[in-house]
Formats: sequence, structure tokens, C-alpha cells
Amino acid sequence: ETGVTQSPTHLIKTRGQQVTLRCSSQSGHNTVSWYQQALGQGPQFIFQYYREEENGRGNFPPRFSGLQFPNYSSELNVNALELDDSALYLCASSMKTGSFSTDTQYFGPGTRLTVL
Amino acid sequence: AQSVAQPEDQVNVAEGNPLTVKCTYSVSGNPYLFWYVQYPNRGLQFLLKYITGDNLVKGSYGFEAEFNKSQTSFHLKKPSALVSDSALYFCAVRDIMGDYGQNFVFGPGTRLSVLP
Repeated sequence: ETGVTQSPTHLIKTRGQQVTLRCSSQSGHNTVSWYQQALGQGPQFIFQYYREEENGRGNFPPRFSGLQFPNYSSELNVNALELDDSALYLCASSMKTGSFSTDTQYFGPGTRLTVL
Repeated sequence: AQSVAQPEDQVNVAEGNPLTVKCTYSVSGNPYLFWYVQYPNRGLQFLLKYITGDNLVKGSYGFEAEFNKSQTSFHLKKPSALVSDSALYFCAVRDIMGDYGQNFVFGPGTRLSVLP
């Protein structure tokens, strides 16, 4: 098991609501990435945080936002939930040691979000 | 843009037989390739990665992968399959964002079933 934890494990929301998902990175890691995994598909990159700043973003609308805290933990916020937001949300932590470092990403167990 | 393809949705193999899960890639620049495994209702577990060096990479749980530049392939292999290897396998390639960011581009996944 990795040292990456996520909460909650499961969540049910209704369309239009807002949700916050949380991630604690593995000890010693300074970078957190978030992915969305729809049923039957591979994970899709949402964004990455490094030193409390967004470091890159995938093809997701602005209603997907995030934060990284000084202890490197992170939150993913999704506003105005849509039915298609139902998915497993994965957090991955890594240790960035320099530009373009080939750091491995270690994943948490995920949060299963269901939007009704 | 970086991409990976996993041409087989499903691979079935008998326990004790060798297994291969296929992955091909398309990248600009040097390919940095990864394999992850996902068990039901779990996050992704890192198996192995190719950065540079030997074309045969050894990883966790007896898995290995062969990097073939001329065929742009990175197939996952194991000499003797176990029933417990049954899971969803993802190939991924590193993509670079901006000055410091990197994310993983995942394939669609291959479901491996090892039959007793």
C-alpha cells in the first residue's frame, strides 16, 4: 500500500451541488496530481499542484478547482455537479526533485463520487 | 501529444502459463513509460517504469516489461501467471507540462483474467 490517503471513500451528491475531496500525500512527497476515472476507462488528468500552485491542467472546465496546503495535502473541489462527473477520483503524490524529473506517481485508493 | 494504446480489452491466460499485456506508444522525444495495476475498488499500484537503460525492466510481483523502440512497444510480461494477478492493467506515458509539470497519459486498460 502507498502512504496516500483519500477521503471520503464514497460520496453521493445531486446535480448542481458542490463537492470537496481530500488527499494526503505520501510522506516526503511535494507534488499532488488529481485524476478522474470514469467507469471502464483509464484515468484522465485533471490538474497537478506543486508548492501550493497549480502546475498544469488537463482538459477540465474551471468548475474543477483545487488547493494544496503547506503540508502538501490537497483538495479537489467541483462546483455545479453534473451527472457525467460520476467517477472514481484518484489522487497521486510524487516527489519532484528538479525540472522534468521522472518521478513515479503513487496513487491513493480513490473517492467514488455518484451524482444523481 | 503523447499517447498510449492497449490493443486488447481482455486477456485470458491459464494459471502457470506466461502472460503478455500489450502496450504501444506515440511520443515526441524520449518515452518515459509506466505500468500500473488496479484491483477492484482500489487505486492504481505502480508495477514498473522505463526511463532509460536496459530494454528489459523488472518490477514488482514478478512482472517485467520489454521496451522496443523500433516497434514503439512496451509490453508487460510475467513468466508464470497466478490467479491473484487477475486485475485491470494500465500502461501510461509521461507528458510534460510547462516548465516543471508532468502528468501521466493512461491507456484504456486491459483486463487480465487468470484461470485456475
